[in-house]
Amino acid sequence: GIQVEQSPPDLILQEGANSTLRCNFSDSVNNLQWFHQNPWGQLINLFYIPSGTKQNGRLSATTVATERYSLLYISSSQTTDSGVYFCAGGGGVQGAQKLVFGQGTRLTINP
Amino acid sequence: NAGVTQTPKFQVLKTGQSMTLQCAQDMNHEYMSWYRQDPGMGLRLIHYSVGAGITDQGEVPNGYNVSRSTTEDFPLRLLSAAPSQTSVYFCASRHAYEQYFGPGTRLTVT
Repeated sequence: GIQVEQSPPDLILQEGANSTLRCNFSDSVNNLQWFHQNPWGQLINLFYIPSGTKQNGRLSATTVATERYSLLYISSSQTTDSGVYFCAGGGGVQGAQKLVFGQGTRLTINP
Repeated sequence: NAGVTQTPKFQVLKTGQSMTLQCAQDMNHEYMSWYRQDPGMGLRLIHYSVGAGITDQGEVPNGYNVSRSTTEDFPLRLLSAAPSQTSVYFCASRHAYEQYFGPGTRLTVT
């Protein structure tokens, strides 16, 4: 099955800093998503991005499908950005339903 | 809309006991899933459903049963709890490519 590797595992930054989180896939995926889990455990969809670039406010994501990786950029970090960021991917006809998650990047933004 | 709701929030079981984790959604989504999250790990898919009456296995289905008699409800049954099933369980529903997660159930099996 698909293997998903995220880096770095932990990231500690000061408020206002920028960060880049990376996700590598062992095989091609047709469904790639980024999620944020806040410190209280709630999971939120950030991006559906099987290829190309998307932006939503201070967050943007880029996926290079041919090279099997995706990047999540967070600019001007705020303490509310803290939490764990997961990428997840799926392939084939069930790619949307059978997502495989990475182990996450734990981001801590200090005031 | 309440979104995706899960009950209970916390549960402690003894080895061998059975229980059902409840999940309900009020968004009329066809797709629903159950995941487990172990410490320091991402989510792993247990079972999923593409509509009422249709379920299938995910990555880690052993020890769990599901059924989907209505669009709204997708309960997860532990038939004989084991310590290895200690985890946080998340239910999700999906519309297009957007997943909506419930708040989770923290289960401890002693």
